[in-house]
Amino acid sequence: DTGVSQNPRHKITKRGQNVTFRCDPISEHNRLYWYRQTLGQGPEFLTYFQNEAQLEKSRLLSDRFSAERPKGSFSTLEIQRTEQGDSAMYLCASSTRQGVLNEQYFGPGTRLTVT
Amino acid sequence: QKEVEQNSGPLSVPEGAIASLNCTYSDRGSQSFFWYRQYSGKSPELIMFIYSNGDKEDGRFTAQLNKASQYVSLLIRDSQPSDSATYLCAVPINSNSGYALNFGKGTSLLVTP
Repeated sequence: DTGVSQNPRHKITKRGQNVTFRCDPISEHNRLYWYRQTLGQGPEFLTYFQNEAQLEKSRLLSDRFSAERPKGSFSTLEIQRTEQGDSAMYLCASSTRQGVLNEQYFGPGTRLTVT
Repeated sequence: QKEVEQNSGPLSVPEGAIASLNCTYSDRGSQSFFWYRQYSGKSPELIMFIYSNGDKEDGRFTAQLNKASQYVSLLIRDSQPSDSATYLCAVPINSNSGYALNFGKGTSLLVTP
């Protein structure tokens, strides 16, 4: 257990529905990342928060995706109008170190299945 | 996009042997390299990172970095069946992303009793 928690652990939804995931990082970690991982692939970066500010979004984060970190603590990732291609493991990671020696610790992930 | 390449495997080694996992990267300017272990159905777990040429040891794990050849490797000594997992190599993207990680696809390791 890294100290990063994610809820729910599993989500099954029908195409077109909205879903929201939550991530609680390690308490002193001011940096928070969302990744997506599909079968046979490594995690792919989605977005990055430093404290409450969302500083970077990857091209993978379509308009249907939105993320927040309102008080610089927990974060939510919402997917609107889900599609079957959204089925994946959504991973949250947190860190406190700056620069290239940025050790990131992952939560257990939320596995999304869109039917 | 910085490329990180790994042989998908599976790499099969007998129990007690040394497992050698390799990773190559495209951006010569990359400064640090991370190894994660991921068991099936679980999230990645940080093993270690390296940023200087040469070897870095942590218990049964040794990371090796050769910046001139742009490869990094992970050696696992005295491999155990519990080491069977996918090993992910990762490189920080850039400062704009808060040095989010760009991962390879991972190498599957199977340690047979």
